[in-house]
Amino acid sequence: GQQLNQSPQSMFIQEGEDVSMNCTSSSIFNTWLWYKQDPGEGPVLLIALYKAGELTSNGRLTAQFGITRKDSFLNISASIPSDVGIYFCAGQSGNQFYFGTGTSLTVIP
Amino acid sequence: ETGVTQTPRHLVMGMTNKKSLKCEQHLGHNAMYWYKQSAKKPLELMFVYSLEERVENNSVPSRFSPECPNSSHLFLHLHTLQPEDSALYLCASSQGFTLAKNIQYFGAGTRLSVL
Repeated sequence: GQQLNQSPQSMFIQEGEDVSMNCTSSSIFNTWLWYKQDPGEGPVLLIALYKAGELTSNGRLTAQFGITRKDSFLNISASIPSDVGIYFCAGQSGNQFYFGTGTSLTVIP
Repeated sequence: ETGVTQTPRHLVMGMTNKKSLKCEQHLGHNAMYWYKQSAKKPLELMFVYSLEERVENNSVPSRFSPECPNSSHLFLHLHTLQPEDSALYLCASSQGFTLAKNIQYFGAGTRLSVL
């Protein structure tokens, strides 16, 4: 199956700092999604991207669909304690989505 | 609240037990999915149903048996599981199964422990 490399695996940051994470693939995808998963809960959709180069924001979150269609980036500005969780990327090829292994974010107050 | 409800939230079962996981979606979607989530691994797609017909079965062992009686409900029947089947089982639904309609919305999951 398709492999998505998500990095970093984990991050420990101070409250107020900005965060960047990314997802790369060896294959071209036609959609990229970013999800957040809180402990004991299922993934919740944050941002969906449909076109190469697209830049979309959702509050303090901004995600971009890479020009090569093989990568995507998620940025979180001015982090707060409730940003803690695991962030997953997902890329679509054909009718199927493939998921990254997640970036675990810890925000230190 | 995502509109996808899974029960039970936690389940402990022995290897000889038979149990079922239930998923219900209130979003008017036509496609439903079962995923397995293990630590440090990507989500593994198990089954996909579109309009109550199974359209994907990703080489899942027969001890997992899905059932989709209508577009709002999805079950995963479990029997003679192994300890390595312990994981978080996630249900998701989407408007459709084809491109541009298959953005998935997830339930909170069932945490399964097999003893």
